Amino acid sequence: GNSVTQMEGPVTLSEEAFLTINCTYTATGYPSLFWYVQYPGEGLQLLLKATKADDKGSNKGFEATYRKETTSFHLEKGSVQVSDSAVYFCALRGAQGGSEKLVFGKGTKLTVNP
Amino acid sequence: DGGITQSPKYLFRKEGQNVTLSCEQNLNHDAMYWYRQDPGQGLRLIYYSQIVNDFQKGDIAEGYSVSREKKESFPLTVTSAQKNPTAFYLCASRPGAGYGYTFGSGTRLTVV
Repeated sequence: GNSVTQMEGPVTLSEEAFLTINCTYTATGYPSLFWYVQYPGEGLQLLLKATKADDKGSNKGFEATYRKETTSFHLEKGSVQVSDSAVYFCALRGAQGGSEKLVFGKGTKLTVNP
Repeated sequence: DGGITQSPKYLFRKEGQNVTLSCEQNLNHDAMYWYRQDPGQGLRLIYYSQIVNDFQKGDIAEGYSVSREKKESFPLTVTSAQKNPTAFYLCASRPGAGYGYTFGSGTRLTVV
């Protein structure tokens, strides 16, 4: 079945540091890939997405590129801020069979210190 | 403003009692979903509904029940058969296939 593996946290960075959160997936065909962010005590918000190979999703300074050859969708940001502190989830939606369901990674908690 | 409302935000119940979590959306979305979140576990799908009066089991449906009598409402009942009900529950919706999900702000259920 479809699955998502993302790097375990927690990740602690200083403000303006470079961020990478790794995400790899297992799926048949060409799934759609997503990054969601969850701030403390809240639901999930869509951060960015990519629906086909080599697509780059971007939003609020975050980027991720859909790499079919390495089955990866790593999240990056060049300069993090304290306000980026949150839990980040990588997710996929299958291309066929069960495509209604989002499959999530376990989440990576990011803390950015001033 | 359109969105998804989950209530209450915090819920405490005694062991062995059934409890119902509310999820209401005014986005006119066809599909609705319930996820459970545990620390370090990510989100796991409990039930989903693609249309009124129809719903399907997700990956961890045992001990839960749902109904979809109205398009805007998708309540989740956590029954006494659920072995470990203490968790954070998230409701989501989307217009249909190919569209993104909108999440509610969640209900934290604690069973004592």
